[in-house]
Amino acid sequence: GQNIDQPTEMTATEGAIVQINCTYQTSGFNGLFWYQQHAGEAPTFLSYNVLDGLEEKGRFSSFLSRSKGYSYLLLKELQMKDSASYLCAVSNQAGTALIFGKGTTLSVSS
Amino acid sequence: DSGVTQTPKHLITATGQRVTLRCSPRSGDLSVYWYQQSLDQGLQFLIQYYNGEERAKGNILERFSAQQFPDLHSELNLSSLELGDSALYFCASSVAGRAKTQYFGPGTRLLVL
Repeated sequence: GQNIDQPTEMTATEGAIVQINCTYQTSGFNGLFWYQQHAGEAPTFLSYNVLDGLEEKGRFSSFLSRSKGYSYLLLKELQMKDSASYLCAVSNQAGTALIFGKGTTLSVSS
Repeated sequence: DSGVTQTPKHLITATGQRVTLRCSPRSGDLSVYWYQQSLDQGLQFLIQYYNGEERAKGNILERFSAQQFPDLHSELNLSSLELGDSALYFCASSVAGRAKTQYFGPGTRLLVL
């Protein structure tokens, strides 16, 4: 089976940096994804890691350590619009579906 | 806008009824995935179709069924509805059969009264 853990809630202020952690246990691994979801809206793709290391994309970066079953999403220069739920997901063993964590709700205040 | 479309946006119905949710994938995508999102369960994978054939099943109830048509659009049928089926239903699509990046549609919000 697969299990994904991430904090339920986090708060931060505008302009700050926040790191959202995700740990996973999986019987097979085909990549780790981060999605952003605003309330009542569709999840939107942020990043994909399949090899160890850091992937940087503008203000957002994602890190993966396969040996530790660990990933984090780093958000820099936080803006109010970054207030959303951030979903960590791993591809299932067959690579046919995404298994999502319950998400981390990030609140950015001024 | 992801390019994935879903209809209807909202659906209100009664227990015991049957509804059909529709999804059109992004142009060129062959895979369609259905997910259910409720407050307590998060996003749960239901089923995947690839080029018209069922590829993978997740936590899909026997009362639910889906299909993908030759034009690659997909429908999710929910029958004998219960209060607990109230949720957001998302469709996602990807190019290939293996779950590389999936792009999500806007969802259908189902309320069962």
